[in-house]
Amino acid sequence: DTAVSQTPKYLVTQMGNDKSIKCEQNLGHDTMYWYKQDSKKFLKIMFSYNNKELIINETVPNRFSPKSPDKAHLNLHINSLELGDSAVYFCASSQVTGGGYTFGSGTRLTVV
Amino acid sequence: SQQGEEDPQALSIQEGENATMNCSYKTSINNLQWYRQNSGRGLVHLILIRSNEREKHSGRLRVTLDTSKKSSSLLITASRAADTASYFCATVILTGGGNKLTFGTGTQLKVEL
Repeated sequence: DTAVSQTPKYLVTQMGNDKSIKCEQNLGHDTMYWYKQDSKKFLKIMFSYNNKELIINETVPNRFSPKSPDKAHLNLHINSLELGDSAVYFCASSQVTGGGYTFGSGTRLTVV
Repeated sequence: SQQGEEDPQALSIQEGENATMNCSYKTSINNLQWYRQNSGRGLVHLILIRSNEREKHSGRLRVTLDTSKKSSSLLITASRAADTASYFCATVILTGGGNKLTFGTGTQLKVEL
């Protein structure tokens, strides 16, 4: 019954590898997001999709490519991983009308 | 630049006491939200206050918003050990087709028995 689910929960990988994180929501929300939380717990928006369309792209390196096959799914693919990409990545969803966001439990990415 | 700054960064209180956290932001907003994050977990939405509201209550939570000062406060009354978590304010600015939720720096609350 998880509202926003992300997989995997933990991801440890070597520099230079390519990896994907998957996200699915069953709330019927129109908008989905990716946020990055750094080691100081600062949360920053990366991308926002509304009905499969990219709405917000916050100066994220081209190595990060979101993909939304349908409005219930938003995946994040990262190419050529770097040490600085280590962080917790959160998926979230909301209605367009501006209510609260529902967050997934996060994916802790560690690049070694 | 970051939208919200929270104060204090860390707060330690005894169970049963009240906890107050403050948030300041820089630009006009549509609404302001508060979230809780337990250690190693995702964020949980607590309460939303719109720009035309001044105060809102939800259970033991009381939120105020002063748009003239661009600030908000979250009061947790009769705190419990289970309230130990990080609390974030987040402002919403409506953009074309979507909402942009921008988070503050967070307050780490520790409630001791």
